[in-house]
Order: sequence, then C-alpha cells, then structure tokens
Amino acid sequence: QAVVTQEPSLTVSPGGTVTLTCASSTGAVTSDHYPYWFQQKAGHAPRTLIYDTNNKQPWTPARFSGSLLGDKAALTLSGAQPEDEADYYCLLSYSGARPVFGGGTKLTVL
Amino acid sequence: QVQLVQSGAEVKKPGASVKVSCKGSGYSFSSYGITWVRQAPGQGLEWMGWISGNNDHPKYAQKFQGRVTMTTDTPTSTNYLELRSLRSDDTAVYFCARAGWPGDADIWGQGTLVTVSP
Repeated sequence: QAVVTQEPSLTVSPGGTVTLTCASSTGAVTSDHYPYWFQQKAGHAPRTLIYDTNNKQPWTPARFSGSLLGDKAALTLSGAQPEDEADYYCLLSYSGARPVFGGGTKLTVL
Repeated sequence: QVQLVQSGAEVKKPGASVKVSCKGSGYSFSSYGITWVRQAPGQGLEWMGWISGNNDHPKYAQKFQGRVTMTTDTPTSTNYLELRSLRSDDTAVYFCARAGWPGDADIWGQGTLVTVSP
C-alpha cells in the first residue's frame, strides 16, 4: 500500500498564506490521483474542502484553493483566519488499489 | 438538506462484534455509495472501505478483509458497518461519508465512538 505524506504541523499568522502538501510514496501526485482535502476541527467530523485536485464544495471558503505543486498535491490558504486552525487531511486514489489518507497536518494560526 | 446520521456509541469486549448504522436523508439514496473511515484516539483518518448505492461489490481495505462487512438497506436508506473479532486497537470513532466512488467523500456523518475494553 502506498504511503501518503503530509507536513505534521505548520503555523501561519492571521492574514497570512500557507501551503500544505501531500506526497505519494509511489511517485509524483497527478490529477489521476483525484486529490481530496478535508478539514477537521477538534471533536468534530471531517469536512470536505476540495475534490479532484482543485474543485471546491459549496461551503468551502474562497480563501482555500487546491492545486498540483511540483510532484505533490497542495492546499493553499490565503488570508488565514483564526477559525482555520484545524487538522487537514489529503486523500489520494490509486488505480487498482484502495484510497489512502495522508497522516494529516496540524495547522496553527498564531 | 443532505444529512447522514449515525448510531450511538458502543462499548464492546474483545472478540465481540459491532454494527454501526448510517442513515441518509435529503438525497437519492441509491445514487450514492458510502465510504467508512475510522479515527483512533489522537490519530489520523483511516480508509476502511466503500459500498455502492446498489449494495454490490463492496471494496474493503486489505487490513480489514475477512473481519468487516458493509451493507446497504435501501428501503430504510441506511448503511451498516459490521466489524468482528474486535481488539483493543479497534477503539476509534467510525465515520460514514456519502461517496459516489471509493475515493470520494462529500457529506459526513457525525461519527460513532466504539470502545473495545475487557
């Protein structure tokens, strides 16, 4: 099974910009991995922010965007707000194999 | 609105089985499948499997093969996750999510805490 790697933790200042990444042990992440991004606040269920690399859910704030950055999937937060402090997870799909979550990134807004 | 409501917390002894339910509303139930995800205390998300809205060919993570069964009851718009031969490391919150395909998830249930303890 592939291993999906995210930064364990990141810190961003209020109003600042931060990019979270999602790498695959099998090689470059492409649109064929259909990257998803989820936000999870403490004690709550995850919430889907981004699907298929860069598509937003109706409830996704405009300050979040998804992309491919080099050989990784990326989630960029532009203009961080205190309420963005949360854990963020990516999910990658693999042809002929089961989807795999990344280990998650704990984002602190400070 | 689209909603998934899961059953309440469970406490089980090692070796027992648990069955968690996930009832959908506000959408065409048979048009979507359900993905099951779990989260052990203080840990990340773990993909367990997916079942289509037609209740055919569920896809399980290799780790749970032989121990898990996912089913769909269309008349009641309810999905079920059964996990057998429970161990202490199965203690986790179990989430369902609406999913059109195995790598998808848009709407999530609130989660069900399953505690495995002697």
